[in-house]
Amino acid sequence: GESVGLHLPTLSVQEGDNSIINCAYSNSASDYFIWYKQESGKGPQFIIDIRSNMDKRQGQRVTVLLNKTVKHLSLQIAATQPGDSAVYFCAENSGAAGNKLTFGGGTRVLVKP
Amino acid sequence: EPEVTQTPSHQVTQMGQEVILRCVPISNHLYFYWYRQILGQKVEFLVSFYNNEISEKSEIFDDQFSVERPDGSNFTLKIRSTKLEDSAMYFCASVKRGTSGGATEQFFGPGTRLTVL
Repeated sequence: GESVGLHLPTLSVQEGDNSIINCAYSNSASDYFIWYKQESGKGPQFIIDIRSNMDKRQGQRVTVLLNKTVKHLSLQIAATQPGDSAVYFCAENSGAAGNKLTFGGGTRVLVKP
Repeated sequence: EPEVTQTPSHQVTQMGQEVILRCVPISNHLYFYWYRQILGQKVEFLVSFYNNEISEKSEIFDDQFSVERPDGSNFTLKIRSTKLEDSAMYFCASVKRGTSGGATEQFFGPGTRLTVL
């Protein structure tokens, strides 16, 4: 079936360095993509989103890149901080209002002091 | 800042018992969802709800599950006869309608941890 998946289950990064988290999706009809951060015992927290008519979007310390040709999504975190330690999920849907999200498997980011 | 709330934070129940998980979505949101996350696994869609009816459900959402919006603020998930494999975190989410009518961010609650013994 169609799915969204992640390449790296765990990423260790030195505090202050940049982090890159990758995600592959298989549904070419996907139109809307989101990155969520999940801290232990909490619900997914929105980080940034992007629609398929864009290939890059920037937020505060985060950038999402979308490559529709190879169906690849990445999240870049600049100057990673200890508070960035969490599990990061990509998710996608068709872009229609109210559509469900399909989540990837998650990448754990560990920030070393 | 408005947020989705869920109660209880942790529910322990015996196999075969009924449980009701409660959610209060953000007040001006129109779409409501339940997702679950088995420990160590990814978040899985269960059901979406719009205009007082189910708009989509996954194959996980079988006859043992039901949802209800009994009033203007609460959104509940009922599991009629719990099984061991229902043990998971259950997340409620809600969405406002985007200005362009397309998909927008889903806001998630903190979750209810359901433990079935």
